[in-house]
Amino acid sequence: DAGVIQSPRHEVTEMGQEVTLRCKPISGHNSLFWYRQTMMRGLELLIYFNNNVPIDDSGMPEDRFSAKMPNASFSTLKIQPSEPRDSAVYFCASSPFVGPLNEQYFGPGTRLTVT
Amino acid sequence: GQQVMQIPQYQHVQEGEDFTTYCNSSTTLSNIQWYKQRPGGHPVFLIQLVKSGEVKKQKRLTFQFGEAKKNSSLHITATQTTDVGTYFCAGEGGSQGNLIFGKGTKLSVKP
Repeated sequence: DAGVIQSPRHEVTEMGQEVTLRCKPISGHNSLFWYRQTMMRGLELLIYFNNNVPIDDSGMPEDRFSAKMPNASFSTLKIQPSEPRDSAVYFCASSPFVGPLNEQYFGPGTRLTVT
Repeated sequence: GQQVMQIPQYQHVQEGEDFTTYCNSSTTLSNIQWYKQRPGGHPVFLIQLVKSGEVKKQKRLTFQFGEAKKNSSLHITATQTTDVGTYFCAGEGGSQGNLIFGKGTKLSVKP
């Protein structure tokens, strides 16, 4: 079975550009999570969805960040405009359960570099 | 918000030695999860503990959940080079009661 799929795997962009990260969760999973990982701050939850509905976006750092889940098999995380401090690895994870406290399955991540 | 504290930050061991990482919370947790992230990889779910005092084993890995459900540990017996990576615990925390990850313990194993 395919795991969580993320694209692109690497993204290098210039400050001010729009960046869109994509995620396909595991089929049949009911929750989807976006995380950001940096050396300084570790693994941080940005936003999560239950059954395609955004439940908690309190971790989204600024209005420059937005996330959508138009259907059960696709989600996007958009940064507009991007800044150098957004450089990080962004992970998407999904869970077969509803809610944030159950086992999660992570995708391979997108390494974002903003110059 | 509530944090999940994890120690040590780094651990260097000789192959064959044992390894333990500890996770602590100031509040009672509904459950605790453990993940492993290999260098350059992504977190991989290992196990979830729910019951007070619960102990679970996976081959050389032993996971414990404290009686007060405020702490947990992961113990690896006779480490191997394949155990290299960062081990994270995750529990309920933050202002929204979401899953909060500890900062992780990075394990290196010298052959």
